[in-house]
Amino acid sequence: LAKTTQPISMDSYEGQEVNITCSHNNIATNDYITWYQQFPSQGPRFIIQGYKTKVTNEVASLFIPADRKSSTLSLPRVSLSDTAVYYCLVEGGTALIFGKGTTLSVSS
Amino acid sequence: EAQVTQNPRYLITVTGKKLTVTCSQNMNHEYMSWYRQDPGLGLRQIYYSMNVEVTDKGDVPEGYKVSRKEKRNFPLILESPSPNQTSLYFCASTPTPRREQYFGPGTRLTVT
Repeated sequence: LAKTTQPISMDSYEGQEVNITCSHNNIATNDYITWYQQFPSQGPRFIIQGYKTKVTNEVASLFIPADRKSSTLSLPRVSLSDTAVYYCLVEGGTALIFGKGTTLSVSS
Repeated sequence: EAQVTQNPRYLITVTGKKLTVTCSQNMNHEYMSWYRQDPGLGLRQIYYSMNVEVTDKGDVPEGYKVSRKEKRNFPLILESPSPNQTSLYFCASTPTPRREQYFGPGTRLTVT
């Protein structure tokens, strides 16, 4: 099972771009990379998922290099409401492993 | 509305008193799972189910049981709760493990 490693915390200011990198050295060929956002006392919420190269949706971009051993979640122009915990998840088999997450704090 | 519901949302109980936390989804998802969340440890998977009557252990299954008699329901059973099971519990469902998971609102359990 592929484990993930993320920074424990990050700080940013409103309007900046934030990049959170996740390391997953043991990712398997069939694994996908998924990112979730969690606010206090709420269940995690899906942000984005990718397999390789770049994926973009209305809230974020996900960059995955060719070796797929890491991935970077990019949040453009963050706001105060983006303050949350962000989890990187490698999904491939049946048992799913969340990392400890990255606490992003956005200040004005 | 597509959703995952959990009951109860809050529960305080005593050591050894059997309890069940219910989880239900209305999206016809085959895959369901239970997680516990503790400060500094993130989300850890307890049990998961690929389909009716198919369940398997996750990362931290000790002290828990589950059953999947119907597709929509996936109850979490604590036969003899202990204080180290005090935690925030989340149920989730998804069509398959590689798709977006939908999480319930959480159940905060305190065992004294």
